[in-house]
Amino acid sequence: AQSVTQPDIHITVSEGASLELRCNYSYGATPYLFWYVQSPGQGLQLLLKYFSGDTLVQGIKGFEAEFKRSQSSFNLRKPSVHWSDAAEYFCAAAESSSNTGKLIFGQGTTLQVKP
Amino acid sequence: DSGVTQTPKHLITATGQRVTLRCSPRSGDLSVYWYQQSLDQGLQFLIQYYNGEERAKGNILERFSAQQFPDLHSELNLSSLELGDSALYFCASSVVREAPSYNEQFFGPGTRLTVL
Repeated sequence: AQSVTQPDIHITVSEGASLELRCNYSYGATPYLFWYVQSPGQGLQLLLKYFSGDTLVQGIKGFEAEFKRSQSSFNLRKPSVHWSDAAEYFCAAAESSSNTGKLIFGQGTTLQVKP
Repeated sequence: DSGVTQTPKHLITATGQRVTLRCSPRSGDLSVYWYQQSLDQGLQFLIQYYNGEERAKGNILERFSAQQFPDLHSELNLSSLELGDSALYFCASSVVREAPSYNEQFFGPGTRLTVL
């Protein structure tokens, strides 16, 4: 069955420190991959997406993600975290060969930023 | 602001009742998706409509149904509500989804349903 796994439920980093959030997927073929952020009481905002090509993708708010086919991973990174980055982060995937476009989400990682 | 609107923002109701959640997609978007976010199950895909027709179904209960109207807005109907139906329900829209292309989904702010 198709699945997306975020191994870390909760991560705490100090402001200014680097960040890496992990995401692994299990699909028959390489899916389209996404990272969304959800601030408290808000909807989901797309940070970045990977369809094909360059395996390092840049997103909004200074985030980037690296696709590694050999590890079935799509980890999100940020070199220097700001207090406003505290939120819940979701990795998601969609079948590349399907007409549905439905997203399968990981369980989410809650990021706490220490001053 | 994603351009997707959902009403109401909050809904409190009792077990056994029926409610309707409404979603207006971004202008020009033909596809509407419904997702449920709960503490137990996380974010789950429920159902997708494309230009008025059902295109994909996820883990949607038989007590739940949806439709997309000619003006492209969508409604999610939840009936015989149970405590476990308490969740945040998101609507998302996209222009179209035709493989192998993919169009980004834009999410609304959600409707928080509380069943007492």
